[in-house]
Amino acid sequence: DTAVSQTPKYLVTQMGNDKSIKCEQNLGHDTMYWYKQDSKKFLKIMFSYNNKELIINETVPNRFSPKSPDKAHLNLHINSLELGDSAVYFCASSLGGGDTEAFFGQGTRLTVV
Amino acid sequence: AQSVTQLGSHVSVSEGALVLLRCNYSSSVPPYLFWYVQYPNQGLQLLLKYTTGATLVKGINGFEAEFKKSETSFHLTKPSAHMSDAAEYFCAVSDLRYRGSTLGRLYFGRGTQLTVWP
Repeated sequence: DTAVSQTPKYLVTQMGNDKSIKCEQNLGHDTMYWYKQDSKKFLKIMFSYNNKELIINETVPNRFSPKSPDKAHLNLHINSLELGDSAVYFCASSLGGGDTEAFFGQGTRLTVV
Repeated sequence: AQSVTQLGSHVSVSEGALVLLRCNYSSSVPPYLFWYVQYPNQGLQLLLKYTTGATLVKGINGFEAEFKKSETSFHLTKPSAHMSDAAEYFCAVSDLRYRGSTLGRLYFGRGTQLTVWP
């Protein structure tokens, strides 16, 4: 009974393509996040939504567009993929307060060739 | 702005030895501090967190960490390492607030890879 699930787990695509990553959580949380983990394992927040409203947008190129159809889902669409977009993308959710635990999905390893 | 420094990108210990992973933070306000563990090809899992109250925090799998405000540190320890502890460990600090919202965001350190030798 996975709490935060992402699909796909692996994604290999060519430069210039458009791709989407889906995320769903069944924890009843109001807040969802996208984090990017680079090849050196550094994790950085990209976006956060609270009750379908965009709260955090961290200087991410506008080729990246998150969409939250409801508070249990947060998808990430990436246009015109570039080599530098290759990374592991993690979805997470939490109750939203700064003192609350974030629950992470298993990650989507995106490789752009 | 918040930031986290993890000293040592790689730590190796023998099974049964003490594990010590170092974390120092920078925060303009009293911080919320976290340790997460990442096993290969998996997401992050919370080990423990400090918010308020007792400065020695116990977590899962026998890990604990002590918040030392004077040293701006939150080092992670385990008295006796087990092979199953081999993983990447991330220290993180959270905003109390973000642009007026109570929503926190996590600032991660660069991680420490723990290797446990038999």
